[in-house]
Amino acid sequence: EDKVVQSPLSLVVHEGDTVTLNCSYEVTNFRSLLWYKQEKKAPTFLFMLTSSGIEKKSGRLSSILDKKELFSILNITATQTGDSAIYLCAVGSSGTYKYIFGTGTRLKVLA
Amino acid sequence: DTAVSQTPKYLVTQMGNDKSIKCEQNLGHDTMYWYKQDSKKFLKIMFSYNNKELIINETVPNRFSPKSPDKAHLNLHINSLELGDSAVYFCASRAGSGNTIYFGEGSWLTVV
Repeated sequence: EDKVVQSPLSLVVHEGDTVTLNCSYEVTNFRSLLWYKQEKKAPTFLFMLTSSGIEKKSGRLSSILDKKELFSILNITATQTGDSAIYLCAVGSSGTYKYIFGTGTRLKVLA
Repeated sequence: DTAVSQTPKYLVTQMGNDKSIKCEQNLGHDTMYWYKQDSKKFLKIMFSYNNKELIINETVPNRFSPKSPDKAHLNLHINSLELGDSAVYFCASRAGSGNTIYFGEGSWLTVV
């Protein structure tokens, strides 16, 4: 059965720290991996990864995919209180329309 | 303009009632989804339609019935509501050839 596992489940850090969030997956015919940030309402899109080894970057956030070892990481440097959120990872398969979400990592950044 | 919009945003109703949640997307996407997010924030897919055709129907009680009158709309009707149906229901859409899923703001359903 396809599955997506995120770790850690929750994390508390102080402003300025760097965090690494993990997402591992087992899916048939991998197509893409998506990262989302969810604060109080809808998940908002961060990155889409389809190829191994190519880093996606947006400001203090970056992400990379390893299709051989079947995982992705999301890095946040110089964290701020506004980074406090749930970070969700989703994986999609070719030939289906299904995206499976992990349980999310709840990040809290303290001032 | 909101790309994926859901109504109502909040709904409190009694057990046994029947209710509907509506979703509309103005992105021109071909595929729409309903996801359920429980109290632990786990997002689980329920249904997906592509060009008005049901393509994903996960293990969901048959009290839940989706309907897509056209590819811009996907509604969710729930019969005989139960306490365990309390959750946030997210509508989402995706372009036929693209990969990114865009979410609506969610419909907070509370069954009392």
